Amino acid sequence: AQSVTQLGSHVSVSEGALVLLRCNYSSSVPPYLFWYVQYPNQGLQLLLKYTSAATLVKGINGFEAEFKKSETSFHLTKPSAHMSDAAEYFCAVSDPRAGNMLTFGGGTRLMVKP
Amino acid sequence: NAGVTQTPKFRILKIGQSMTLQCTQDMNHNYMYWYRQDPGMGLKLIYYSVGAGITDKGEVPNGYNVSRSTTEDFPLRLELAAPSQTSVYFCATSGGSLYEQYFGPGTRLTVT
Repeated sequence: AQSVTQLGSHVSVSEGALVLLRCNYSSSVPPYLFWYVQYPNQGLQLLLKYTSAATLVKGINGFEAEFKKSETSFHLTKPSAHMSDAAEYFCAVSDPRAGNMLTFGGGTRLMVKP
Repeated sequence: NAGVTQTPKFRILKIGQSMTLQCTQDMNHNYMYWYRQDPGMGLKLIYYSVGAGITDKGEVPNGYNVSRSTTEDFPLRLELAAPSQTSVYFCATSGGSLYEQYFGPGTRLTVT
């Protein structure tokens, strides 16, 4: 069975500060990992994905994530937060043996202070 | 190219009523999914389909049914609505096991 844990349901940073959102996963097969962002009252939008190529993955809006197998982690970072980054962020792991179904973490709400 | 569309956007049901949530995609994707999102929680998979005529249960299938007669459509049926089914429902599609999922805007359902 697969699982995803996101440490910190709420994270608050100042505009211009580093953003770090934590994600740890459990998977019995080599994982495919994703970060999605959800703005209020909207669906989920893909930020970036890891599918066993480069361990450092760059996504949209300046976000990136590093896959660390030894730590079973896939933390999301952005060097400088912008007010428009305020949203809910979800880490997910997919199971290609079961229709590529996604298992999501509980989400982290990012707040950006002026 | 609309992507993934869901109807209705909002719905209020009484306990015991039934309804169908519609999901249509124009991306020619074989894989389709239904998730529910409860307040403050991540999404949980209800059902999924890897192609027309093929469906399978996800993590939380009880109280729901699906069908997949065409590539484009994947309706979700609630037969006897219960308050525990109050949630936001998202439909998603994917081009295959190596590809990301694309989500619709969601249907907000309240059962009272």
